[in-house]
Amino acid sequence: DAKTTQPPSMDCAEGRAANLPCNHSTISGNEYVYWYRQIHSQGPQYIIHGLKNNETNEMASLIITEDRKSSTLILPHATLRDTAVYYCIVRTLTGTASKLTFGTGTRLQVTL
Amino acid sequence: DGGITQSPKYLFRKEGQNVTLSCEQNLNHDAMYWYRQDPGQGLRLIYYSQIVNDFQKGDIAEGYSVSREKKESFPLTVTSAQKNPTAFYLCASSVWGKMDEQFFGPGTRLTVL
Repeated sequence: DAKTTQPPSMDCAEGRAANLPCNHSTISGNEYVYWYRQIHSQGPQYIIHGLKNNETNEMASLIITEDRKSSTLILPHATLRDTAVYYCIVRTLTGTASKLTFGTGTRLQVTL
Repeated sequence: DGGITQSPKYLFRKEGQNVTLSCEQNLNHDAMYWYRQDPGQGLRLIYYSQIVNDFQKGDIAEGYSVSREKKESFPLTVTSAQKNPTAFYLCASSVWGKMDEQFFGPGTRLTVL
């Protein structure tokens, strides 16, 4: 699976959009981009995933560049409860159980 | 309510003792996973299971053992062979065909004294 690079930390004011970048320059054609987040001392929570088209759900939007070498997770109106570590993961969707490789992620701090 | 439960939330054991961590899910998920997380680090996969009576080693299986006798349950035993067992352990499950959308339990923090 391709390696990802994320900034170690980011700050965002409450009510503003939080834009979390992820570089995955070695991504291959059949690899998906996944985002999870982990609030302190809890299990990770799935947010969103995509292949090449932009995706949106009730939690966030995922913007993938045309060359697919990077992506951005957007939380449109960040709240204090969005403070967490956000993990960007790239992997092949095999349809079978296999590992998700979590790096160290981006620690997002939402402030008043 | 459907979900994944792990018990206990905090567990203390003496060095040299085996300890079993519980993971139960009522989501009817086929696949289950165990991860370990150390402070400031990402998650590392210990074992995973696609179906009952079958499981595979992950990246750091040494010193751990699992069983999958029931679809709902995937207990993890931390044996005395595990050199650094103190960590936060997370169990997850997923639906066949959506294996990468994993749902996580609340975790068990194991401290070996």
